[in-house]
Amino acid sequence: ILNVEQSPQSLHVQEGDSTNFTCSFPSSNFYALHWYRWETAKSPEALFVMTLNGDEKKKGRISATLNTKEGYSYLYIKGSQPEDSATYLCASNFGNEKLTFGTGTRLTIIP
Amino acid sequence: NAGVMQNPRHLVRRRGQEARLRCSPMKGHSHVYWYRQLPEEGLKFMVYLQKENIIDESGMPKERFSAEFPKEGPSILRIQQVVRGDSAAYFCASSLTVASTDTQYFGPGTRLTVL
Repeated sequence: ILNVEQSPQSLHVQEGDSTNFTCSFPSSNFYALHWYRWETAKSPEALFVMTLNGDEKKKGRISATLNTKEGYSYLYIKGSQPEDSATYLCASNFGNEKLTFGTGTRLTIIP
Repeated sequence: NAGVMQNPRHLVRRRGQEARLRCSPMKGHSHVYWYRQLPEEGLKFMVYLQKENIIDESGMPKERFSAEFPKEGPSILRIQQVVRGDSAAYFCASSLTVASTDTQYFGPGTRLTVL
């Protein structure tokens, strides 16, 4: 069974602070790692697709890194804002088209 | 350019009835995926379709569930004789290609409640 794990499950961060969380996946059969941002009652919004070991992607205050050899990715948010409150999902392809999702990290920014 | 559309957003059915969930992919996308989120669980893959073909249905329950993506019109996920355990959020996604590096764009989901 190929599982994708995310930690922590939930996180409360003071506005203005930076934060990060983890996505772990089996390094064998790895093809790509996807990060999504999901606000309640909305569609999951694609953030990044990462494939190469050592890859780093950035979108505004959000960035992500990838280590395919040890099987993890970090998502960083710099200077958290209230609008960053959401569930952050990671998912991986293992040699096919279907995404295997983690259960997400629920981020709450405290004003 | 409209995103992935799903309807209805909320659907209530009594046990034994049929549920039909519709998904219109993004314009130009011919790859459609259905995922299900059961209460307190993550998104789980159900089925992958291209126009008029089911490519991978390894995540779909063997009975009562079916999916189609006709040449014209939306993709349909059909659940016959619904039971309480079918209550979940059903999400559709679409992509331009089937490459694992291609982004799957998600719709807002249909929340099915079975009474």
